[in-house]
Amino acid sequence: DGGITQSPKYLFRKEGQNVTLSCEQNLNHDAMYWYRQDPGQGLRLIYYSQIVNDFQKGDIAEGYSVSREKKESFPLTVTSAQKNPTAFYLCASSITSNYGYTFGSGTRLTVV
Amino acid sequence: KQEVTQIPAALSVPEGENLVLNCSFTDSAIYNLQWFRQDPGKGLTSLLLIQSSQREQTSGRLNASLDKSSGRSTLYIAASQPGDSATYLCAAAYSGAGSYQLTFGKGTKLSVIP
Repeated sequence: DGGITQSPKYLFRKEGQNVTLSCEQNLNHDAMYWYRQDPGQGLRLIYYSQIVNDFQKGDIAEGYSVSREKKESFPLTVTSAQKNPTAFYLCASSITSNYGYTFGSGTRLTVV
Repeated sequence: KQEVTQIPAALSVPEGENLVLNCSFTDSAIYNLQWFRQDPGKGLTSLLLIQSSQREQTSGRLNASLDKSSGRSTLYIAASQPGDSATYLCAAAYSGAGSYQLTFGKGTKLSVIP
């Protein structure tokens, strides 16, 4: 079955540490996205990528970095510059013909 | 800046009732509108996608409508069941920087009481 796989499901980060969240899709979708979800704030776009080796900042890109070396993969690194990283992170993908989005199951990141 | 609003934030209904969830958006120049379901601690599951040229979409007990002129979409759930309890999110796709991104509402948390 096609879908999006996010790993790990839970992640704990120490102060000053960088962590990387994995996102892999086998839907053959061109576009991929990272969102952050906080209680009461809805989903906010961090980064997105339309094609391999190209990506753009979303609304809240500060303290995050991404890469898109393969069509199937779009990892997100939460750097030590992100001062409030505790949140639920969601990866999504879409085909560019109709922009119907498919989401992964999410990674919950907690700073300890 | 586009805004998507969902009212009410929470809704509780007895099992078997038909119900309507509301979504409004400020800019009528949307590309599409998508309804999602989110269970606690889980990702988003796509329910219905309505392109800007369409007026409604149906899937089983779900029917979503789109009225661009009034900036509104509704999700109709027929014969509600306890398994329908979840948070329902609507999202409008807008053009930006050569692609389309979704602007999300904050969701309506639905509880269906047995």
